[in-house]
Amino acid sequence: EADIYQTPRYLVIGTGKKITLECSQTMGHDKMYWYQQDPGMELHLIHYSYGVNSTEKGDLSSESTVSRIRTEHFPLTLESARPSHTSQYLCASSESSGTYEQYFGPGTRLTVT
Amino acid sequence: AQSVSQHNHHVILSEAASLELGCNYSYGGTVNLFWYVQYPGQHLQLLLKYFSGDPLVKGIKGFEAEFIKSKFSFNLRKPSVQWSDTAEYFCAVSSGYALNFGKGTSLLVTP
Repeated sequence: EADIYQTPRYLVIGTGKKITLECSQTMGHDKMYWYQQDPGMELHLIHYSYGVNSTEKGDLSSESTVSRIRTEHFPLTLESARPSHTSQYLCASSESSGTYEQYFGPGTRLTVT
Repeated sequence: AQSVSQHNHHVILSEAASLELGCNYSYGGTVNLFWYVQYPGQHLQLLLKYFSGDPLVKGIKGFEAEFIKSKFSFNLRKPSVQWSDTAEYFCAVSSGYALNFGKGTSLLVTP
């Protein structure tokens, strides 16, 4: 079983609030990812990181930001939440080489009212 | 960018029926192929993967998939489904730094 954790699992918050979604992994993986998933839709990559101090935007434009100060930690922040940010956010990690198999966390379901 | 198409969005089967879920991708180069499964209330987890070698790959819980390069396909199969196979199934393709996912297929297996 993958050792990747996300908190909170569920979050309901009002418009304009700043939020941080936490993601941690204990596998020592260099690569980490954030995906956004709406019901019945594919996962869309919004951010990724190849290692400490490395972050890149993914294919789907997002108003969120990320940081990677420690290998095991990859938080995602929304400075001012809006209803359009309502979605499920999935964090994943993978090794730097080899098979690119990604291990996923349980996700955070965010609702912005 | 690559695209991944899953042909069936919702599938309902009776227990013991055979399953085949279609997956096609658009990228013509070297790819790594995956099927992920998400059981109700659980993490996305890897069902099986293909990187090279035998195009018929076997995964967990009796699932298998066949890579047909000429058809850009990676269909998932199981000869006899069980109620516990009820889940969301995602096909994914990687050619580099990240995975491109299909929209998923929701499978409901009825007793």
